Amino acid sequence: AQSVAQPEDQVNVAEGNPLTVKCTYSVSGNPYLFWYVQYPNRGLQFLLKYITGDNLVKGSYGFEAEFNKSQTSFHLKKPSALVSDSALYFCAVRPPSGGSYIPTFGRGTSLIVHP
Amino acid sequence: EPEVTQTPSHQVTQMGQEVILRCVPISNHLYFYWYRQILGQKVEFLVSFYNNEISEKSEIFDDQFSVERPDGSNFTLKIRSTKLEDSAMYFCASKGDRVGEKLFFGSGTQLSVL
Repeated sequence: AQSVAQPEDQVNVAEGNPLTVKCTYSVSGNPYLFWYVQYPNRGLQFLLKYITGDNLVKGSYGFEAEFNKSQTSFHLKKPSALVSDSALYFCAVRPPSGGSYIPTFGRGTSLIVHP
Repeated sequence: EPEVTQTPSHQVTQMGQEVILRCVPISNHLYFYWYRQILGQKVEFLVSFYNNEISEKSEIFDDQFSVERPDGSNFTLKIRSTKLEDSAMYFCASKGDRVGEKLFFGSGTQLSVL
């Protein structure tokens, strides 16, 4: 069965500093990996995905994520955080074939960017 | 960008009552999902729906739950006899048919069972 771990409930960072939100996964085969963001009173919004190709993928709002197969990780990064980046971030994984196509989500990491 | 719409945004009900949560997926999407998130916990998969039938469901989705797409536009989740532990945020999502395509989520219905 596939699973996702987001080891940090909360990440605090000062505006202008780089941020990292961690995600590790477990899945059979090569994974499809996603990051979603949830702003208050809104649904989850897609940020970026990795399916194949370059391990560094770029997404919305200046975010990027690096796929590391040996560490089974897909950490979300941004070089310079903004206060408006404060939100709940969810990592998700699904196998590419042969079983459930349903994305499995982590518990979410609350990112707080301080002015 | 197109949106998935969920109503109501908040629902308060008494234990044992039936509730229906409503969703309008994006019009040309083919796959529909319900997820829920209990406060402080993971976003949990409940059920997926494709071609007018359930394609997959989780252990959470027991006989008290049902889904329906009654008119080609709405997608509903019914809980027949609510329990306290059903209190959660329920998210509807939809997806087109391309491989690896992202899910589009609604803003959720906060269900409180008293």
